[in-house]
Amino acid sequence: SQQGEEDPQALSIQEGENATMNCSYKTSINNLQWYRQNSGRGLVHLILIRSNEREKHSGRLRVTLDTSKKSSSLLITASRAADTASYFCAAYYPGGSARQLTFGSGTQLTVLP
Amino acid sequence: GAVVSQHPSRVICKSGTSVKIECRSLDFQATTMFWYRQFPKQSLMLMATSNEGSKATYEQGVEKDKFLINHASLTLSTLTVTSAHPEDSSFYICSASPMAGLEAFFGQGTRLTVV
Repeated sequence: SQQGEEDPQALSIQEGENATMNCSYKTSINNLQWYRQNSGRGLVHLILIRSNEREKHSGRLRVTLDTSKKSSSLLITASRAADTASYFCAAYYPGGSARQLTFGSGTQLTVLP
Repeated sequence: GAVVSQHPSRVICKSGTSVKIECRSLDFQATTMFWYRQFPKQSLMLMATSNEGSKATYEQGVEKDKFLINHASLTLSTLTVTSAHPEDSSFYICSASPMAGLEAFFGQGTRLTVV
């Protein structure tokens, strides 16, 4: 299976703290994306990092990609209660169907006020 | 960003009936859309790839006669759960991308409950 693994599965932090989530994958990728899902809702795209990029920022989000280790991390700085959600990494794999994303197992983040 | 609209957001149906879920790309054309299923506290599992003007491609283990997919236009794909059973109760989500290899945009999801 190409499905990635994310850790931790669940993370609980205090408001204002930073949250780091990790994603590992098994084979080479074209790019990797991070999505957020509030309970019972669809997914919201957060950030895309290409295979030739190592780090990318968007507001309070920082994503890193280490292709040698086949891993990525998502850092949310100065977390807020509204950041409480599930976060998924997803990747396009070469040789897979065009535009077919494979999702990681997800991290449930809880930010306590 | 691009908008994908999915309808209905919630549906309750009786066992044995069929339910149709619509997925529309509102501001872009999509030759390919994807249908996922998600169980509580789990990740998204790809069910099938919907191809405009041709047959859908189903993932292993997904019954094509059970989950009928129609992609009749560049902005609309439908998933019909036929002869629904309680085990079909789940959260179904569609996605589409304006261009290959870039970010995917997701519908709001449909919570199906079969009673």
